[in-house]
Amino acid sequence: GESVGLHLPTLSVQEGDNSIINCAYSNSASDYFIWYKQESGKGPQFIIDIRSNMDKRQGQRVTVLLNKTVKHLSLQIAATQPGDSAVYFCAENAGGTSYGKLTFGQGTILTVHP
Amino acid sequence: SAVISQKPSRDICQRGTSLTIQCQVDSQVTMMFWYRQQPGQSLTLIATANQGSEATYESGFVIDKFPISRPNLTFSTLTVSNMSPEDSSIYLCSVEGPGTDTQYFGPGTRLTVL
Repeated sequence: GESVGLHLPTLSVQEGDNSIINCAYSNSASDYFIWYKQESGKGPQFIIDIRSNMDKRQGQRVTVLLNKTVKHLSLQIAATQPGDSAVYFCAENAGGTSYGKLTFGQGTILTVHP
Repeated sequence: SAVISQKPSRDICQRGTSLTIQCQVDSQVTMMFWYRQQPGQSLTLIATANQGSEATYESGFVIDKFPISRPNLTFSTLTVSNMSPEDSSIYLCSVEGPGTDTQYFGPGTRLTVL
């Protein structure tokens, strides 16, 4: 079946650095993408989303980039803080008959060192 | 976003028994989703629950093992039946936010089966 995967399972950065978390997806029909942050013992928390008619979207300290040509999604976190340490998941929604169904990537563990 | 609560937050159960997990939302929602997150892994969609209709299960999940109820627009239950240690996971419910495709997650139910 279609799947979403990540290039790097772990990422360690120093406080204040910028972080980039990558995600590859395989379903060319996917039209909606979401990044989630999951802290230990908690459910996934929405960070930012992007639709397939866009290639970039910015939030507070976060930017999501979408490259449909190579089916690649990335999350950039500016000035990473220790509180950003968590597991980050990308998820895709193919829409159509798959409306509402999210397919999740494997996750990247981000560790921020003070 | 929607505020979602789950009960119980965690449980330890004996094999062969069943556990019913509750999901309560603070607003009326059409679609509710149940996910499983096995230890150290990503999220996998179990089923989609719409009020007034049978739940729709994903490949690999069956109603006899994971019966779902959706009695109204703010509540759903997932039962994990005849449990085995392989059912030890975090079970999460999610809903779409009002007027959006974005899914918001509950805090999860951490199940350990001995």
